Amino acid sequence: AQSVTQLGSHVSVSEGALVLLRCNYSSSVPPYLFWYVQYPNQGLQLLLKYTTGATLVKGINGFEAEFKKSETSFHLTKPSAHMSDAAEYFCAVSTTSGTYKYIFGTGTRLKVLA
Amino acid sequence: EAGVAQSPRYKIIEKRQSVAFWCNPISGHATLYWYQQILGQGPKLLIQFQNNGVVDDSQLPKDRFSAERLKGVDSTLKIQPAKLEDSAVYLCASSRTGLAGTDTQYFGPGTRLTVL
Repeated sequence: AQSVTQLGSHVSVSEGALVLLRCNYSSSVPPYLFWYVQYPNQGLQLLLKYTTGATLVKGINGFEAEFKKSETSFHLTKPSAHMSDAAEYFCAVSTTSGTYKYIFGTGTRLKVLA
Repeated sequence: EAGVAQSPRYKIIEKRQSVAFWCNPISGHATLYWYQQILGQGPKLLIQFQNNGVVDDSQLPKDRFSAERLKGVDSTLKIQPAKLEDSAVYLCASSRTGLAGTDTQYFGPGTRLTVL
């Protein structure tokens, strides 16, 4: 069965510092991978996704993620944090056959310090 | 294009009462999903519709939860009777086809349910 692990339920960074949010997946075949962001009292918004091809994926708001098959990881990064990045971030995998459903990680709440 | 709409945004009920949530997906999207998001956890899929047919309801507590999407457009999710552990945010999402794992899901703002 597929699963997603997000290390660190809370991450704090200073404004302007590097953001690194970790995501590891468990799957017998490389899945499709997604990062979503959730601002307070809002639904989830897609940041980026990996399906096939280039392993470095660029998303909205300056975020990017790299798919590393050997490490079964899909970590999310942003070179310079902004106050507006404070939110909860969810990594998800999608099955590559069958009913194509998402399995979400437990989320990482990012706090940006002034 | 308009996003996924949900109502109500907030609902407070007593245990053993019933409650219903409504979702209107993005126009033309064939697949509709209902998720339960308990505080501190990621969303968990409850039920997935392809047009007006159920594709996956393996995690839906069928003794108390029901959902329908009669005309293949909007959907309702009902809980009857509610339990304390049903307190959560209920998210609705839709995707264009749902026939590929690469399909992006678009989420509504959610309904926050508090069961007292």
